[in-house]
Amino acid sequence: EVQLVESGGGLVQPGGSLRLSCVASGFPFSIYWMHWVRQAPGKGLVWVSHIKGDGSDTTYADSVKGRFTISRDNAKNTLYLQMNSLRAEDTAVYYCARDGVGDSDFDSWGQGTLVTVSS
Amino acid sequence: QSALTQPPSASGSPGQSVTISCTGTSSDVGKYNSVSWYQQHPGKAPKLMIYEVSKRPSGVPDRFSGSKSGNTASLIVSGLQADDEADYYCSSYAGSNNYVFGTGTKVTVL
Repeated sequence: EVQLVESGGGLVQPGGSLRLSCVASGFPFSIYWMHWVRQAPGKGLVWVSHIKGDGSDTTYADSVKGRFTISRDNAKNTLYLQMNSLRAEDTAVYYCARDGVGDSDFDSWGQGTLVTVSS
Repeated sequence: QSALTQPPSASGSPGQSVTISCTGTSSDVGKYNSVSWYQQHPGKAPKLMIYEVSKRPSGVPDRFSGSKSGNTASLIVSGLQADDEADYYCSSYAGSNNYVFGTGTKVTVL
């Protein structure tokens, strides 16, 4: 069974940093593209970033480019999102998601971790 | 990249059908057959219901179907059941390794 478990969320002040983790199990992690998707309270889903299975290719949404860094450790089956220069508008539940077998879909999701940026 | 446009709400009685639209542009929905749909119950993670416009993952009932015409994709839920009450989001590939989600539709089973 595919499992994705996020952690690392919490309360951080504007301008601060936080690193999210997503531990994967139940599938060959290293061959899958992985994504981060966020959802502000009461709002819709927004794609944040993705990374190729071997870590060689990454892309970011314009809203986080230059501030967030996605990475992975395939030996630990873990996906990361380093978030710097955090803003109030980054407040959201952050989900990690696995790239689906189809073209550009997300077939498995974690339960999410809440990041709150506030003074 | 602007969010795809969905109606805020849709409703139907048990056993009826509901159709949710997802309107994008010629740069996303209209250009790629990479539209997917997600169901999200309150406080839960999204669940993939449809991928590549009309394909169903294993385990998703055939009451859920998808289609696309031009810049608009649609999700049809037939034979509405109480558990279908949830938020639904569409998503599309938008080129240059970017993805865009819809604004979301709350489906109510009357």
